[in-house]
Amino acid sequence: DVKVTQSSRYLVKRTGEKVFLECVQDMDHENMFWYRQDPGLGLRLIYFSYDVKMKEKGDIPEGYSVSREKKERFSLILESASTNQTSMYLCASSLRRQGVDTIYFGEGSWLTVV
Amino acid sequence: AQSVTQLDSQVPVFEEAPVELRCNYSSSVSVYLFWYVQYPNQGLQLLLKYLSGSTLVKGINGFEAEFNKSQTSFHLRKPSVHISDTAEYFCAVSERTGANNLFFGTGTRLTVIP
Repeated sequence: DVKVTQSSRYLVKRTGEKVFLECVQDMDHENMFWYRQDPGLGLRLIYFSYDVKMKEKGDIPEGYSVSREKKERFSLILESASTNQTSMYLCASSLRRQGVDTIYFGEGSWLTVV
Repeated sequence: AQSVTQLDSQVPVFEEAPVELRCNYSSSVSVYLFWYVQYPNQGLQLLLKYLSGSTLVKGINGFEAEFNKSQTSFHLRKPSVHISDTAEYFCAVSERTGANNLFFGTGTRLTVIP
């Protein structure tokens, strides 16, 4: 089975802190994604990556950056956390670069910024 | 640009009754269509997907969906629901060509009443 692992399930951070959310997948997938989930808004794409060291902005990249130094790992970085970034963050990965194959999700990271 | 509309934010239904969760999309190009389910405190799990071929797609847990190109719809159905089907359901769409990411609806919370 595909495994997408988000290292932190629950985090509480202070305003202004730098926050790292880590995601690892074990199926050699080229594509990796970070989504944010908020009630009534569904999932919104923050960033995605087609390959190592490659990244593309999604719908809501402001206030976030990402890093993909290894194929299996995709990190989401909040340079200076703010209260409006309190949310559930979901990492995902998929196999193909062109077209779409099934996207597999991690269990999510609940971030609270106080 | 893609957009996905889930018309019902909440759907209560009695156990063993049928259910339909509605999904409409807009796109100027051919698309792939997906339904994901999210149980409490978990990530998203793929229920079913339409890539090509038969417009009636069967998924896990007894769910099925029908792709209707003329109505740009992909409604999810189950003839008899169980308590364990209580969850949030997300419809998603992706372009057949171009960026390899999903656009999600805002979700429908299905509550099965004993």
